[in-house]
Amino acid sequence: GAGVSQSPRYKVAKRGQDVALRCDPISGHVSLFWYQQALGQGPEFLTYFQNEAQLDKSGLPSDRFFAERPEGSVSTLKIQRTQQEDSAVYLCASSFSGGSETQYFGPGTRLLVL
Amino acid sequence: GDSVTQMEGPVTLSEEAFLTINCTYTATGYPSLFWYVQYPGEGLQLLLKATKADDKGSNKGFEATYRKETTSFHLEKGSVQVSDSAVYFCALTGGNNRKLIWGLGTSLAVNP
Repeated sequence: GAGVSQSPRYKVAKRGQDVALRCDPISGHVSLFWYQQALGQGPEFLTYFQNEAQLDKSGLPSDRFFAERPEGSVSTLKIQRTQQEDSAVYLCASSFSGGSETQYFGPGTRLLVL
Repeated sequence: GDSVTQMEGPVTLSEEAFLTINCTYTATGYPSLFWYVQYPGEGLQLLLKATKADDKGSNKGFEATYRKETTSFHLEKGSVQVSDSAVYFCALTGGNNRKLIWGLGTSLAVNP
């Protein structure tokens, strides 16, 4: 079966541009997470959805970051007016329910802001 | 807040050597503990997990035991292979907090 997919795999943006990153979770998975991984670091939590409800967005670093999952499946992470410090790998993960359930990760989108 | 500390790398070993990667945590309540692995050019994969104290997770020859008394979840393997070269991440999640909290990762290189 298909795993978690993300697109694009690589994105180069000029400072100030808006970007949109897409995540297709495993079919039937209720929970969806976004993480940000800077070079040489562990992932950092950004936001969490249960179906279409965004239950936790405490990790979003600024109001330039926005995430949605309108139909409880595909999710989009949008970054407005990108800055150089936004350069990182953005990881999406899904799990069947949540809690201690295993999270399955996509390959990530590597964003470089010039 | 909750946190994970794991030993810094890089770790370089010869094939068939014994591996230990230390991981300790700070958490309220009773977290679940995980080891994820990231092979070169690939995404994060769950290696093993343990959901309560004294549980032992194991997979592909790797083991880790959930030690509540020492708040540790050290990763071990008796005989590493070149194919084990990767970055290993310790993480936790617990209670109503569904997010994973991660260590910084430990890079392992195994030489033939």
